Amino acid sequence: AQSVTQLDSQVPVFEEAPVELRCNYSSSVSVYLFWYVQYPNQGLQLLLKYLSGSTLVKGINGFEAEFNKSQTSFHLRKPSVHISDTAEYFCAVSGNTNAGKSTFGDGTTLTVKP
Amino acid sequence: NAGVTQTPKFQVLKTGQSMTLQCAQDMNHEYMSWYRQDPGMGLRLIHYSVGAGITDQGEVPNGYNVSRSTTEDFPLRLLSAAPSQTSVYFCASSTPGQGNNEQFFGPGTRLTVL
Repeated sequence: AQSVTQLDSQVPVFEEAPVELRCNYSSSVSVYLFWYVQYPNQGLQLLLKYLSGSTLVKGINGFEAEFNKSQTSFHLRKPSVHISDTAEYFCAVSGNTNAGKSTFGDGTTLTVKP
Repeated sequence: NAGVTQTPKFQVLKTGQSMTLQCAQDMNHEYMSWYRQDPGMGLRLIHYSVGAGITDQGEVPNGYNVSRSTTEDFPLRLLSAAPSQTSVYFCASSTPGQGNNEQFFGPGTRLTVL
């Protein structure tokens, strides 16, 4: 069994400020970790993923995340946000044998204010 | 490539009616999944498939049926719609293997059951 906890349901920040969206997971097997973004009235699209190797992964739109196995975390960061980053962000985990069966967190709404 | 397509985009049903949500992908992905998204609850897995002829239940399968006769198509059937099935439904596809594993999502179907 696996689960994902996104620690903040809403994160308001000012434009050009740094942001961190927190994600903790639990799993009894080795995992793959993902961050997806959902803009209003759209489907989800991949921001970045951790499969193996370097624990710091870089994604699209200037986002990055660090996999911390000892703390079972996969926090998402961006050093300077833009208004266009306003969206809902989902952390997801899947076992490394079946990526089609992912477990998602409840989502974090990032609101960037001018 | 069209990616993952879903039809219809919007649907209103009366309690007890049945319908099929269509999902198709043109990326030759082995895995396909159906999720429902409810406010504050992230995405929950309904059913998934690891290949043609193979399906399995996810977290919330009750009231839904699936079949997978081809690699491309994965329809979701609501047998007797209930107001609790009012939600946004997303279909996703993925393929296992090094460097892959992320899911590609369709634009969603917004279903209202009266």
